[in-house]
Amino acid sequence: ETGVTQTPRHLVMGMTNKKSLKCEQHLGHNAMYWYKQSAKKPLELMFVYNFKEQTENNSVPSRFSPECPNSSHLFLHLHTLQPEDSALYLCASSQVDRGRNTEAFFGQGTRLTVV
Amino acid sequence: SQKIEQNSEALNIQEGKTATLTCNYTNYSPAYLQWYRQDPGRGPVFLLLIRENEKEKRKERLKVTFDTTLKQSLFHITASQPADSATYLCALDISSRNTGFQKLVFGTGTRLLVSP
Repeated sequence: ETGVTQTPRHLVMGMTNKKSLKCEQHLGHNAMYWYKQSAKKPLELMFVYNFKEQTENNSVPSRFSPECPNSSHLFLHLHTLQPEDSALYLCASSQVDRGRNTEAFFGQGTRLTVV
Repeated sequence: SQKIEQNSEALNIQEGKTATLTCNYTNYSPAYLQWYRQDPGRGPVFLLLIRENEKEKRKERLKVTFDTTLKQSLFHITASQPADSATYLCALDISSRNTGFQKLVFGTGTRLLVSP
């Protein structure tokens, strides 16, 4: 148990569907992240939230929409996805104090397949 | 272009030997470098963090070196065991010191296979 919980673990959706991925961290961290991991590619940072405010958006298409209602929960809303969006989506959290960074704690990921 | 390179081929070693994994990067000046372990279908798990002013860090059977001149980190597992078989990811933290978040850039990882 890593302290970061993601649901669902697996998701199959059609290109016209709308779905949401959920992430919850029980570690009291102040920053949360969404990463995408495609086959044979490195993890790619998608979004960063610090104290519930989005501080980074790595040129992610608008069909991915993040939401962070509080410092413990993070959502990724999906709509009209493409087959190339099929990947492992990972949520992470970390405690970031100015001038001192620590490790990231990852969830188990959601394996997304777009058909 | 900015790049992080790790051995793309799997590394096969015999149990009890030392595994050495390489991480090379270009065009970054990271304040921190981290190593993670990832098992199939699971999220990465943090192993070690080393800062730019540190040359070496150890934790049990693990050792990491960081050479900012060569732009290289080496990750060693001594007395390797079959349970060490996994993919190992190198990550650079390229966030500036005054930001309120961490920006990790990952390599593609090296798959390690330890045979009994």
